[in-house]
Amino acid sequence: NAGVTQTPKFQVLKTGQSMTLQCAQDMNHNSMYWYRQDPGMGLRLIYYSASEGTTDKGEVPNGYNVSRLNKREFSLRLESAAPSQTSVYFCASSQAVGDNQPQHFGDGTRLSIL
Amino acid sequence: GNSVTQMEGPVTLSEEAFLTINCTYTATGYPSLFWYVQYPGEGLQLLLKATKADDKGSNKGFEATYRKETTSFHLEKGSVQVSDSAVYFCALSDRGGSNYKLTFGKGTLLTVNP
Repeated sequence: NAGVTQTPKFQVLKTGQSMTLQCAQDMNHNSMYWYRQDPGMGLRLIYYSASEGTTDKGEVPNGYNVSRLNKREFSLRLESAAPSQTSVYFCASSQAVGDNQPQHFGDGTRLSIL
Repeated sequence: GNSVTQMEGPVTLSEEAFLTINCTYTATGYPSLFWYVQYPGEGLQLLLKATKADDKGSNKGFEATYRKETTSFHLEKGSVQVSDSAVYFCALSDRGGSNYKLTFGKGTLLTVNP
């Protein structure tokens, strides 16, 4: 059981380049999330999708866009990468929107922007 | 808004020592509370949860009790092992508008020495 799969695992970009981080889950979950993790900051929510066909901004959405391609897949796009976006990015999913629903995380994408 | 405050790390213990990681929260409603663990190079995994006041979550020898009167959810383990070395995150869930959001603390790095 793969759970939540993120690709790529590592990436180095130059300032101004664009790229898309991919995320897929095989647990038939309705809700999906993108976080970034920075030293001393914990995890911060970038965007989330409560269900297929919907997306909403989280705490730090500037500089990012998302697409909920289908129920399984939720991608994160950096249109013009900046050094401040150097971070570890985590995708997560949960069964549904609800306050006792745990989230299941992928192993992360380590992104460096030079 | 919601917030989670957990003790600053790093915490270094010897094997078989007692562990406490403090966590307090601020929330407008009655949130569910979680502890997640992140092993090196991996994503976050749910360790335990509690959904209402006085509930005790437990897993793998770890315990935490939802204390509404002190707005706390401290993580404890009676005898830690080297394999418990990881970063531990306290988190709460609450409804922002009509959607579910998870708020994380900044994480506490635990190192257990043999």
